[in-house]
Order: sequence, then structure tokens, then C-alpha cells
Amino acid sequence: DTGVSQNPRHKITKRGQNVTFRCDPISEHNRLYWYRQTLGQGPEFLTYFQNEAQLEKSRLLSDRFSAERPKGSFSTLEIQRTEQGDSAMYLCASSLRDGTGYGYTFGSGTRLTVV
Amino acid sequence: AQRVTQPEKLLSVFKGAPVELKCNYSYSGSPELFWYVQYSRQRLQLLLRHISRESIKGFTADLNKGETSFHLKKPFAQEEDSAMYYCALSGSDYKLSFGAGTTVTVRA
Repeated sequence: DTGVSQNPRHKITKRGQNVTFRCDPISEHNRLYWYRQTLGQGPEFLTYFQNEAQLEKSRLLSDRFSAERPKGSFSTLEIQRTEQGDSAMYLCASSLRDGTGYGYTFGSGTRLTVV
Repeated sequence: AQRVTQPEKLLSVFKGAPVELKCNYSYSGSPELFWYVQYSRQRLQLLLRHISRESIKGFTADLNKGETSFHLKKPFAQEEDSAMYYCALSGSDYKLSFGAGTTVTVRA
């Protein structure tokens, strides 16, 4: 297991198009998180899963955003009808739920540019 | 609501000088505090966590509940410490909230 993997690394899309990102977490981690990071800001929470259940969605996540984690393994984040304001780095992280305080393991992120 | 504040966007120090990155938080319960670091062209990674009370790469951080602070310190900065540092807080739901980050530049 080489850690958290995110694909693609970069995505350039035209405004109005749909995009989908994938995240493969560390296999024994049952929690998976999506964050968004814009220039000069820290990561902002979008949503998270415990196994296949989506437990919370941020108010930042408009109706154009949807995330899934079928079978509690990999996750996808889809953005429909992209807008220029969606341009950001989208980070995925995974962790164990038991709160041992080990924090998250992050992927390298997917950088989205909407033109 | 939980919030993390890092008042310094940029911090520049000379090699060998002490460095301190400030972090203040607000949370009504008992939080877990972390420092994450992102080196150039690398992914965000955990530097240290308050519950372990360890020193990683010469960095230490003490949780001060009275002042709601978790400042990161290193007595002698090295050039390889140049990076972006994020303070983060985890509440009872184990969800991390991040500060805006501090860019540290260590000059020779």
C-alpha cells in the first residue's frame, strides 16, 4: 500500500463541463475525507465518509457537487456544470476512525482549472 | 464551531535562529491539535500531534488550554525547514479544521 492515491493529478476543463475525481485511500482506513484548497488558504472541509456512508457535507458543497464511496473503498467526487470558482486543489485524505490522534494521510491532490 | 487561527502568513528567519509559529484555536470541548507541513511539491503530511508530546525534526508544540494556543517552536532553524505549516484541530467527530497556514522561509 503506497498511501492515498488521487487521480488525475491535473484537470483542465471548460466552464459548464462535468468532472470526476477519484481517490483510493489506505486500505485499512475506514474514514475518507475530501477537502478543497485555494491559493493562500488552508484546506477546507467538503465531506467525509465512514466506510460507504457519507456522514457530513459542508455548506461549501453546492448541489453541483456529489461524492460517493461505493463498498467503502475508493471514492469519487463529481462536479457538474463547473464554474471558474471551482478552480482549486481537491485533496483526499483517509484515517482510522478510532481517534488515536494519528491524523490524516493525504493524497497529492487533483488540481482543477476551469477555463 | 471549531476554528483555527494562524496570525502569520509569512515568517522569515535566518538559519540557526529560533522560529515560532503561532496557532490559536476555539473549540468548546477537548480538541486534539496537530501541525501539518507541506514541503515544496510534496503532499501535506503530519508533523506532530499534541497527544504524543514528541519532538519531530527538532520541532515541539505545547498545548496551552488556558490560552487556547498550540504554538510550534524550533530552537535552531535549518534551511530544510522552509515549507508551509498548517495548524489543525480535531474535535469529537475526528474531523480536521485547518488554519490558513504560515509560509516559513529559512535564509542562509
